[in-house]
Amino acid sequence: DGGITQSPKYLFRKEGQNVTLSCEQNLNHDAMYWYRQDPGQGLRLIYYSQIVNDFQKGDIAEGYSVSREKKESFPLTVTSAQKNPTAFYLCASTDGSNYGYTFGSGTRLTVV
Amino acid sequence: QKEVEQNSGPLSVPEGAIASLNCTYSDRGSQSFFWYRQYSGKSPELIMFIYSNGDKEDGRFTAQLNKASQYVSLLIRDSQPSDSATYLCAVKEGTALIFGKGTTLSVSS
Repeated sequence: DGGITQSPKYLFRKEGQNVTLSCEQNLNHDAMYWYRQDPGQGLRLIYYSQIVNDFQKGDIAEGYSVSREKKESFPLTVTSAQKNPTAFYLCASTDGSNYGYTFGSGTRLTVV
Repeated sequence: QKEVEQNSGPLSVPEGAIASLNCTYSDRGSQSFFWYRQYSGKSPELIMFIYSNGDKEDGRFTAQLNKASQYVSLLIRDSQPSDSATYLCAVKEGTALIFGKGTTLSVSS
């Protein structure tokens, strides 16, 4: 079945650590996105990539980094510079049509 | 900063009633609009998309778009307890979707 796989489902990070969230898709979609969702809030765009080896900052890119070395993969690193990383992180992809995005099941990151 | 505004709710309706969810957007040039449903702790799932003025119907759901007034709405007919969720409005800006904060709908049986 085609879809987007995010791992892990739950992640705990100590203060000062970098952590990497995985996002893999087998939909053959060119564009991929990372969003952050805080309780009671909508989704805020962190980074997006429209093609391999290229990506752009979204509205809240500070403290995050990404790479797009393969079409199928778009990992997100939450660095120690991100002061409030506890949130629900969602990865999405699209083929560029008007059918919206396909979302992964999300990763819930908690700072301990 | 382009904005998408929604009432956070909660919107409470009895089972079988019509639920009306509204969304306004700031960019007059926006062309494509989406409604997503999100259950607690889950990822959003696409319900409807619309890009032409007027109504678009799909089963119990109707999306309404008025570009002159810059609002888009979602009507849910014959609401069911399983419709209880947060509904996110999204507007396509370039290649990215800009989301509102969502409206929480509660359908009581």
